[in-house]
Amino acid sequence: SQQGEEDPQALSIQEGENATMNCSYKTSINNLQWYRQNSGRGLVHLILIRSNEREKHSGRLRVTLDTSKKSSSLLITASRAADTASYFCATDETGGNEKLTFGTGTRLTIIP
Amino acid sequence: DTAVSQTPKYLVTQMGNDKSIKCEQNLGHDTMYWYKQDSKKFLKIMFSYNNKELIINETVPNRFSPKSPDKAHLNLHINSLELGDSAVYFCASSQVGRGGYTFGSGTRLTVV
Repeated sequence: SQQGEEDPQALSIQEGENATMNCSYKTSINNLQWYRQNSGRGLVHLILIRSNEREKHSGRLRVTLDTSKKSSSLLITASRAADTASYFCATDETGGNEKLTFGTGTRLTIIP
Repeated sequence: DTAVSQTPKYLVTQMGNDKSIKCEQNLGHDTMYWYKQDSKKFLKIMFSYNNKELIINETVPNRFSPKSPDKAHLNLHINSLELGDSAVYFCASSQVGRGGYTFGSGTRLTVV
């Protein structure tokens, strides 16, 4: 079953601007992860945030998690053309045998 | 050096044929997965194996049969291929408790 809904479905911004993507989910989770997929390629793990964490940083990435609202956001600062990709959130549901359930994805386009 | 490798990368076949996709990981992970990504980029888990034992078997037609000869390999055999099986199939691996999947580059299956 589909767990996450991502918003927006597509986002186009100028290079150098910040990009924010949101993810909502339905059940209780152990952690939430974000992945990037370049066109025609596999998914690359970006960052993991555990259910007892509220914010996490990795380089130009900032992830927040609000378990009361069952939502997360991914912020990419100072975007670059190479950030153009689809971004997916994925949830590791409590009692889910460590399977990840993926969201619908946000297609991010960075305009040079 | 490839962490998770899948073969073949592309597979074009006729309806009714039987085909296999192979996956190998050299990360020492104990869990491997098969995911299907449809034309709308939606990713859905099919199977997962932990140390050669089937852990997750989602609602997948029994024409799909996974096989894990050892914890570094997880193959997917598909019998009597149908048009609706056309998709990109991704293999992934992870280590229980560590989070974060490593994905292969995918196998694009086209059934004609």
